[in-house]
Formats: sequence, C-alpha cells, structure tokens
Amino acid sequence: QQQVKQSPQSLIVQKGGIPIINCAYENTAFDYFPWYQQFPGKGPALLIAIRPDVSEKKEGRFTISFNKSAKQFSLHIMDSQPGDSATYFCAAVLSGNTGKLIFGQGTTLQVKP
Amino acid sequence: NAGVMQNPRHLVRRRGQEARLRCSPMKGHSHVYWYRQLPEEGLKFMVYLQKENIIDESGMPKERFSAEFPKEGPSILRIQQVVRGDSAAYFCASSPPGGRFYNEQFFGPGTRLTVL
Repeated sequence: QQQVKQSPQSLIVQKGGIPIINCAYENTAFDYFPWYQQFPGKGPALLIAIRPDVSEKKEGRFTISFNKSAKQFSLHIMDSQPGDSATYFCAAVLSGNTGKLIFGQGTTLQVKP
Repeated sequence: NAGVMQNPRHLVRRRGQEARLRCSPMKGHSHVYWYRQLPEEGLKFMVYLQKENIIDESGMPKERFSAEFPKEGPSILRIQQVVRGDSAAYFCASSPPGGRFYNEQFFGPGTRLTVL
C-alpha cells in the first residue's frame, strides 16, 4: 500500500505553541521520511528528514519523532512563530526505488501572533 | 547557483488546447521529477526522468500526457487536449546524480495551469 496518511488537515496555534502533525504508513519498505514546508505560491522545500533506524531527530525548532513498530511519525515545531505559517507535507520513499516521493495530504498551519 | 526554474509560472489554456511546461534543473543535476498538486490536495508523483531517458512514469495518466528530458535543454511536460480536470499546480524537482542513499529533491516554484 503506497499511501501516507497525514493529520490534521489544518491547525491553528498561538505563537509559542507546539503544533504537532502526524503521519502514518502501511508499507514497511519505506525507508526515508522527509518533511516539506510550502509557502503560498512557492514550491515545497525540505525541512527535515529521518530514517527508520532513528527514533528522533532535531534540527533547530523542528523535531521528528518516529515510531517504527506503529508505522507512525510526527513533526513537532517548538516555540512556533507566525513565520512558520505554511503548509507542511510528510513524505516517504521506497527502499531501492527511484527516489520518488509519496506525499501525505498536507497540513495547513496558522500561527497567531 | 540558481535554483530549479520553471516556466511559465502561470498558464491559461482553453479546453482542447495543448500545454507545455518547462523545467530547468539546478546546475549539475541530471535527475528530474514532475509532481502534480490538485487544489486542496497533496502532491502526486507523475514521472521521473534522467537525461534522454524516462525511468519511472507510473504516475502519468495513460493518455494526453508525455514528458521528455533531452540531452540539451529543459525537461518538458506536455499535456495534449487539456480538460478542466488538468487544472493544477505542476512542480518539477531535480536531484544530483546517484551514489548516496537518497538525494534531496529541490523543487521549482511550479506552473499553475488553468483550463477554461
């Protein structure tokens, strides 16, 4: 099953809050999980990525938590800022495949001042 | 180093016309991916090309859509006889030649196609 399910569809938090976006997958052959950030009118940009042999990865205010047994992973944004308001996509890549990205449906985040 | 370039940024076509979308990858990148983003949806893989070769076209509609990446010049996504359902944002991404486990894909700004 080559799907990645993402939730919630939209999220509103106050400045300083910690929005959490969740993704789930079925295919255990996925072995690379990037998160992309997209601003209106722009293309997606890689934010942070993780491999399934790691349970957590932090880059600045962004953290990925990975639960291999549950086949779930999530993005946490610490001390969120209005400039973080964007659409966030989780994605997955199949092992040994062509590198094509299988995207989740996206989460639109609004951080209120 | 310029990023991935796509043109036009906006394209309006009437039903039945042809749409040609261009993508110039980043310098040194020889792999190109095309994705489509329908309104209120995530991005869907369409096709993966290397110079002069289509590697994976599993996401391409069977009819009216074609893609190429010639030895010289940009990659082209061509949609013949467009229909309203083709209205979407089309994104191109490029990555460097292989060798690593996974090469990051760098996305262009997209072409927004509107079919009247």
